Amino acid sequence: DAKTTQPPSMDCAEGRAANLPCNHSTISGNEYVYWYRQIHSQGPQYIIHGLKNNETNEMASLIITEDRKSSTLILPHATLRDTAVYYCIVFMNRDDKIIFGKGTRLHILP
Amino acid sequence: GAVVSQHPSWVICKSGTSVKIECRSLDFQATTMFWYRQFPKQSLMLMATSNEGSKATYEQGVEKDKFLINHASLTLSTLTVTSAHPEDSSFYICSAKRPYRGHSDGYTFGSGTRLTVV
Repeated sequence: DAKTTQPPSMDCAEGRAANLPCNHSTISGNEYVYWYRQIHSQGPQYIIHGLKNNETNEMASLIITEDRKSSTLILPHATLRDTAVYYCIVFMNRDDKIIFGKGTRLHILP
Repeated sequence: GAVVSQHPSWVICKSGTSVKIECRSLDFQATTMFWYRQFPKQSLMLMATSNEGSKATYEQGVEKDKFLINHASLTLSTLTVTSAHPEDSSFYICSAKRPYRGHSDGYTFGSGTRLTVV
């Protein structure tokens, strides 16, 4: 079973920041938080990952709470092309297979 | 970056026939590949883990005789849906795991194969 809980859907206005929450209260000390997204009828695309520090790359920022029980993915300036299902996943990269939860369907509104 | 190619991108077959889907890692060697199935408006469901040179490990409830997986080389894994039926119609996605590189984007996904059984 997936170890994360996400809202089933969210709306965000184009040009605004999209903040996608994720709860992972049972995360263990050596598990990372990964975010992937899936645009309709395509394979999942890696976005970002982190352990306990906040992370930023060209696509997004990841904010992880100090107790690591939740995190937020931030898309700073959402565009229509960011419309997708976003999956928050926790696992140990070295060994684990990726188990997907239901994700959050993000709608970007023009 | 790492690229995983999946072929075909879509296929239509008659009920009772078999269909083979290929998953290739183009610029890296993948000792482990994963196969997922996705029904409309649902999440990806892991079907099996494919290890190069050994038998695949199937998830509970997945029929190994129906979904044949072969991982004969470090760059190719195949999924064969045998005696396909309309209920096997789905979106099949593979994922390849690069050799351990620390915690980075070590999993790369193919673009998926849309299978329709008529």
